[in-house]
Amino acid sequence: AQTVTQSQPEMSVQEAETVTLSCTYDTSESDYYLFWYKQPPSRQMILVIRQEAYKQQNATENRFSVNFQKAAKSFSLKISDSQLGDAAMYFCAYRSAYGAGSYQLTFGKGTKLSVIP
Amino acid sequence: DAEITQSPRHKITETGRQVTLACHQTWNHNNMFWYRQDLGHGLRLIHYSYGVHDTNKGEVSDGYSVSRSNTEDLPLTLESAASSQTSVYFCASSGPTSGRLYEQYFGPGTRLTVT
Repeated sequence: AQTVTQSQPEMSVQEAETVTLSCTYDTSESDYYLFWYKQPPSRQMILVIRQEAYKQQNATENRFSVNFQKAAKSFSLKISDSQLGDAAMYFCAYRSAYGAGSYQLTFGKGTKLSVIP
Repeated sequence: DAEITQSPRHKITETGRQVTLACHQTWNHNNMFWYRQDLGHGLRLIHYSYGVHDTNKGEVSDGYSVSRSNTEDLPLTLESAASSQTSVYFCASSGPTSGRLYEQYFGPGTRLTVT
């Protein structure tokens, strides 16, 4: 079974600065997908960014980018020019590309990000 | 617009009672999922379904059941509610229309308190 680890329960960043959230995962599969979800105080789960394991190029979505290191099984999220609205819980998630479990998500425990004005 | 809804949004029940949480999606997604979210645990999969009449157990399925009689709905039943089932419950769905990677769309969540 796959596991996802987020080693930073809480982090803080100054507004307009850059912050990196860490995520590592354990899998024996070669093809899979990785996601970062944001959960603001409203509780709604919002997909931030996605990465396909077979793609070497790191995904970017506006101020959000990832550093995907397949050999190290690491998938960190970088938030540039942090804004007050970025304050939220962030979850890293893994999904297999094939097999019976290929539509399920395995989540890390989350990192609570605070943004300081 | 298509959406995924959950009801009720908040529920307080007593230990031992049967409780059913509703999940309804209008995306026409084949895949539906139930998760629970607890502090320090992230989201954990309870049950999932890949189509009508298909149901499967997830990581934390004990004490829960689901049935899928149509594409749109996947109700989650707590057979005999326990205090350990106090949690926030999320329903999600995915399918060809949720993106190239079958990204999961989440409902707004139901906060359940068992007293």
